Amino acid sequence: DTEVTQTPKHLVMGMTNKKSLKCEQHMGHRAMYWYKQKAKKPPELMFVYSYEKLSINESVPSRFSPECPNSSLLNLHLHALQPEDSALYLCASSQEFEGYNEQFFGPGTRLTVL
Amino acid sequence: DQQVKQNSPSLSVQEGRISILNCDYTNSMFDYFLWYKKYPAEGPTFLISISSIKDKNEDGRFTVFLNKSAKHLSLHIVPSQPGDSAVYFCAAKRGGTSYGKLTFGQGTILTVHP
Repeated sequence: DTEVTQTPKHLVMGMTNKKSLKCEQHMGHRAMYWYKQKAKKPPELMFVYSYEKLSINESVPSRFSPECPNSSLLNLHLHALQPEDSALYLCASSQEFEGYNEQFFGPGTRLTVL
Repeated sequence: DQQVKQNSPSLSVQEGRISILNCDYTNSMFDYFLWYKKYPAEGPTFLISISSIKDKNEDGRFTVFLNKSAKHLSLHIVPSQPGDSAVYFCAAKRGGTSYGKLTFGQGTILTVHP
């Protein structure tokens, strides 16, 4: 299994809602990532988990809250988002955070904040 | 400070011909380079990588060349096919250290005409 899966595929939420994005991989990878991608821009790193511990938070606003329940799962909890947070949210994983490891991306969740 | 640059926003090529996508970097600490392909509304797909101990890596129709002295890499696609039409991102990291963050270029839109 060489796949990173993400649910839901699309999400529309109001600014007062609470929702969660889910990501799963079964490749035995020990590093997992959340990225945000706006149209015609490269992916922007948000968070990195390495061995289920948060290693990097790229100064992301607290309305985004990551969680790594186990080595295969990664969640992103959303609360009180703004319309400018509308974007494609990508999950990725790699064998390790360090070293010569490629990151494999999921299909993304298209988020629209009204 | 854009450490990875793809100076051509777009490239148009005839089917069967060679596509050459270019990427420049400024950080001499980068020693691992990757190319990703992205279709609209999908996650990036890993294509090919190269470490700084090599100057060429080949995988089927895809070849990546690295010129360390010029801090330049290129992706060659031969022969180009209409299905190759996508956005191509160059990415770089310091693979040999504990800092595993990927830095992406802005992307090049490749269009292959039948």
